[in-house]
Amino acid sequence: SQQGEEDPQALSIQEGENATMNCSYKTSINNLQWYRQNSGRGLVHLILIRSNEREKHSGRLRVTLDTSKKSSSLLITASRAADTASYFCATDASGANSKLTFGKGITLSVRP
Amino acid sequence: EADIYQTPRYLVIGTGKKITLECSQTMGHDKMYWYQQDPGMELHLIHYSYGVNSTEKGDLSSESTVSRIRTEHFPLTLESARPSHTSQYLCASSEFGTQETQYFGPGTRLLVL
Repeated sequence: SQQGEEDPQALSIQEGENATMNCSYKTSINNLQWYRQNSGRGLVHLILIRSNEREKHSGRLRVTLDTSKKSSSLLITASRAADTASYFCATDASGANSKLTFGKGITLSVRP
Repeated sequence: EADIYQTPRYLVIGTGKKITLECSQTMGHDKMYWYQQDPGMELHLIHYSYGVNSTEKGDLSSESTVSRIRTEHFPLTLESARPSHTSQYLCASSEFGTQETQYFGPGTRLLVL
């Protein structure tokens, strides 16, 4: 079964508003990452949070991790039309030679 | 911008043809991956490699094969393409280690008629 599952599946907001996206996972992890994918393109890494971290910031991005609830959230503040994309969480499970497991993604639309 | 390249970007071919999707990276990464992604859907890992002469099948069964003769090159081959192979194929690479960030190529959109 899928390790990471994002919520909601789709989100539509007005430019300037904040966007919050959630991700839940099932097993222990080394880290959790968020990626963005513009339509028809490859994924771009946004931010990585380690299992011993609770919050991390990068520009307008804020990521939280709650390992007791096995969940993470990605907050994009002051959204822009250029933030319109699909967002994926990916988990790096514990164990040697682990691989990333991606969720199904969240489609974010930011209306100008 | 990641230094990982995929060719072709778009490919339309007939059933039964043999095709090779190219992927190259100039970052010296040991790990490379192939994912299959249908439009608007999740990524499925179909092959990965941890270094030269190392290839493994991923979580999703695929009729494709891969090779890793050089660090920078990880081509994917379909011996006989079928319409069910129509999808987007994404190549990625990462450094060896447990806290890996993956760098993705732009993808190849394959349409098999």
